[in-house]
Amino acid sequence: GAVVSQHPSRVICKSGTSVKIECRSLDFQATTMFWYRQFPKQSLMLMATSNEGSKATYEQGVEKDKFLINHASLTLSTLTVTSAHPEDSSFYICSARDEGGNTIYFGEGSWLTVV
Amino acid sequence: GQQLNQSPQSMFIQEGEDVSMNCTSSSIFNTWLWYKQDPGEGPVLLIALYKAGELTSNGRLTAQFGITRKDSFLNISASIPSDVGIYFCAGANTGNQFYFGTGTSLTVIP
Repeated sequence: GAVVSQHPSRVICKSGTSVKIECRSLDFQATTMFWYRQFPKQSLMLMATSNEGSKATYEQGVEKDKFLINHASLTLSTLTVTSAHPEDSSFYICSARDEGGNTIYFGEGSWLTVV
Repeated sequence: GQQLNQSPQSMFIQEGEDVSMNCTSSSIFNTWLWYKQDPGEGPVLLIALYKAGELTSNGRLTAQFGITRKDSFLNISASIPSDVGIYFCAGANTGNQFYFGTGTSLTVIP
C-alpha cells in the first residue's frame, strides 16, 4: 500500500521555541494532506486540511498563526508549532489522500513534548 | 469537523471470540475505510470499500459497505491478543470529503 512518512517521530523542545514536523508521501503524489492532533485514548482531532500550492484550511478553534502549515510540493507538507507551550505537547498525525482521491493513508505520528 | 457514529466505544472480549463493530452516517457515502491504530502509532489502513454491498476480507477481518450507503461493518473472527488497539472507520461523501468515526477500543483478554 501507499506509504506516508512523518519526521521526526519524537521531538522535545523548550517552551517558546518553534518546531517543525514533516509529512511526506513516499510513493504517490498527494494534492491534499491532513493534520491531526490526538490526546491519549481519544479520537483523532482534525486540525487542518493542507492543499498543495494554496493556503491550508483550518478547523474551528485551531489557531493558524500558532500551527503553520505549508504544502509546497505534491509529496511534502509541514506543520510548524510556533512559540510552543507545554499544553501543545501531544501526538500529531498527518495523512495524505491518494491520487485517486478516495483513500487516505496515515503517517506514523510525531510525539511532541514541550518542556 | 463532522464525525461518524461508531459503536461500540469499547469492547472487552476473550481471546478466540468474534468481534463486530459498525459506523453509521446520516448522509450517503461513496467510500468506507477501516483503520487500526496501535498505541503511539499512526492508523494503518485495514480495508477499503468503494461499492454499496461490497464485502471485503483481509485475513480474519471482514468489512461490508452497507446497502443503504449510510453504514459499514467490521468483523474480526477468532480474536487474538495482537488485535488489541483502536479501530477507526472513515467515510467519504459524494463531495469526496472524509469524516472519521470516534473509534472502538478493543481489548482482548488471553
